[in-house]
Amino acid sequence: GAVVSQHPSRVICKSGTSVKIECRSLDFQATTMFWYRQFPKQSLMLMATSNEGSKATYEQGVEKDKFLINHASLTLSTLTVTSAHPEDSSFYICSANERNTIYFGEGSWLTVV
Amino acid sequence: AQSVTQLDSQVPVFEEAPVELRCNYSSSVSVYLFWYVQYPNQGLQLLLKYLSGSTLVKGINGFEAEFNKSQTSFHLRKPSVHISDTAEYFCAVSGLGYSSASKIIFGSGTRLSIRP
Repeated sequence: GAVVSQHPSRVICKSGTSVKIECRSLDFQATTMFWYRQFPKQSLMLMATSNEGSKATYEQGVEKDKFLINHASLTLSTLTVTSAHPEDSSFYICSANERNTIYFGEGSWLTVV
Repeated sequence: AQSVTQLDSQVPVFEEAPVELRCNYSSSVSVYLFWYVQYPNQGLQLLLKYLSGSTLVKGINGFEAEFNKSQTSFHLRKPSVHISDTAEYFCAVSGLGYSSASKIIFGSGTRLSIRP
C-alpha cells in the first residue's frame, strides 16, 4: 500500500545550524503534503501545507523564513529548519493523502543542542 | 474552519474494563473524523475514520467510534482494554472535500493509562 517515508528519523544539530528533513511518498504522487510539529506531551500542530511546484502555505504564527519548505517533485517535500535553536527541538511529522486515505511519515525527532 | 476538543487529557482505566475517550468537534461544513493512536516515542497510527455512511465505525485493535451529528461528537470506545492500549489518542477532523488538499486538525490528545 501507499507509504510515506521521512528521513532522518532522529537528528541532533548544533544551535545556529540548519537541518533538512525529507518527506517522500513512495508509491504514489502527492501534489500536497502537510508538515506538523509536536512538542513533548502536546498535540500535533499543523505548520504548513506543501504544494508541488508552488509556494507553501504557512499557518498563522509559523515563520516561513525559518521553516523553509520545498516541494520540487510529486514525491518529495523537504522542511529545512534554518538557524535552529533549542526551542525548535520537537517531533516533526509529514502527511500526504492518497485515494481518501491520509498517510503519515514515521516522524523526525530534532534535538538542537 | 474546524476545531476539535478532547475533553479529557488523561484517562486511567483498569485492565479489562471498558473505556470511552470523548471528542467533540466544531465546523461550519460537513466533516470527516479520525482517531489516531501514538505509542511512546513513535509516530501516528490510524485507528479508524468516518467519511460517510454508518455512524458506527469499527477500527483496529477492537476500538469503535460513533459519529453523532446532533451532538457534534465522535467518541472512541473499547469494551475491554489491555495493557498494550496504553498510549496517546488523538481525535482529528478534516473539512468537506476530503482530498489531497485537505488538512487535518488535531485535538489536544488523551493519554490512556491502563492499570493492572
